[in-house]
Amino acid sequence: GAVVSQHPSRVICKSGTSVKIECRSLDFQATTMFWYRQFPKKSLMLMATSNEGSKATYEQGVEKDKFLINHASLTLSTLTVTSAHPEDSSFYICSARNQGGTGELFFGEGSRLTVL
Amino acid sequence: AQSVTQPDIHITVSEGASLELRCNYSYGATPYLFWYVQSPGQGLQLLLKYFSGDTLVQGIKGFEAEFKRSQSSFNLRKPSVHWSDAAEYFCAVASSGYSTLTFGKGTMLLVSP
Repeated sequence: GAVVSQHPSRVICKSGTSVKIECRSLDFQATTMFWYRQFPKKSLMLMATSNEGSKATYEQGVEKDKFLINHASLTLSTLTVTSAHPEDSSFYICSARNQGGTGELFFGEGSRLTVL
Repeated sequence: AQSVTQPDIHITVSEGASLELRCNYSYGATPYLFWYVQSPGQGLQLLLKYFSGDTLVQGIKGFEAEFKRSQSSFNLRKPSVHWSDAAEYFCAVASSGYSTLTFGKGTMLLVSP
């Protein structure tokens, strides 16, 4: 099946720094990608919908200035956590929609962010 | 608004025994329903989905699920569980084929020897 890759899989950073997480669709083009956040023992919370070539659509309560999303190409979306704080520590998962195929969503492996 | 309830946070099943994971949804129209599995530290893998047609859907890894409109349920089943099935399972609902998914809180499956 189609592959979505996230990088890095784990990252540890100091409080106040910024961290970028990449989400790539390796063998299909994705005009739409989604970013989720998963808290321990909790479900996945949709943070934003990333559309290639346009601004991301953020869910209510998600700070767009803190979680910067860029979708500059049909195979790459990035999530930048700016001025990270310990409460931003979480598991971030992206998914990409295979527009050329069935429109099915494929999920990345996730990125574990730990802010010290 | 659509929502998903997975009433069981944890379930322990003996290897070789049958499994049923419960999922109830709330949605006004015909829902699009999904089951995903997540291994520790990993992303999500689609097990199966229901869009329309036969209410009993077959998925990968020997899983199946049955859509019951009258009960607003989409329970996941497997006749014989393997140790490698231990993971977290998420039920999800969408308003159309691949629109935004709403996930349940997940059920952690533990498999005992």
